[in-house]
Amino acid sequence: EAGVVQSPRYKIIEKKQPVAFWCNPISGHNTLYWYLQNLGQGPELLIRYENEEAVDDSQLPKDRFSAERLKGVDSTLKIQPAELGDSAVYLCASSLGGFRNEQFFGPGTRLTVL
Amino acid sequence: QKEVEQNSGPLSVPEGAIASLNCTYSDRGSQSFFWYRQYSGKSPELIMSIYSNGDKEDGRFTAQLNKASQYVSLLIRDSQPSDSATYLCAVRQSGSARQLTFGSGTQLTVLP
Repeated sequence: EAGVVQSPRYKIIEKKQPVAFWCNPISGHNTLYWYLQNLGQGPELLIRYENEEAVDDSQLPKDRFSAERLKGVDSTLKIQPAELGDSAVYLCASSLGGFRNEQFFGPGTRLTVL
Repeated sequence: QKEVEQNSGPLSVPEGAIASLNCTYSDRGSQSFFWYRQYSGKSPELIMSIYSNGDKEDGRFTAQLNKASQYVSLLIRDSQPSDSATYLCAVRQSGSARQLTFGSGTQLTVLP
């Protein structure tokens, strides 16, 4: 069974430029998450999707971040414009849902904003 | 106050010893508990989940949960250098249908 796929793996941009990250979850997983992880910290949730509906986006900085999950499968996270403080690893995870809610992570995208 | 607390380490143990990793959480209504292993430069990998009080064993790993003390631990028996990584504790808190809250992780080094 294929795992969570993310691209690109690395991205270097200058501040004020836009950037987008793509995620394909594990087949059959209806719940998709985007996390941000800073060095030395645990992942922090940005947004959670149940199928195509964003059901928890309270921690997404909506002035510059946006996300979509068309057709309830793939998802894209966008930052426009990027700031120096956005440099981090952006992780996508998926789960089947239900009580146990085991989440599986993709390899992540390491973003560097210069 | 951080909701999920872990000692940042580093924790060093000799090869073959038992490594003990600890995690405390603040929400008494938390229901699901997970341990993830994260190698340097890699993403977190789920290694254990536990949902009820007591011990759960999987190979060399044992997760222990004590909800009364709001404490969850991970024991790694016969530690190997390949176990050297950061271990993240994650908790699904009450009222959070799917959201996990992560600790900052404990860095473990197993010395050959």
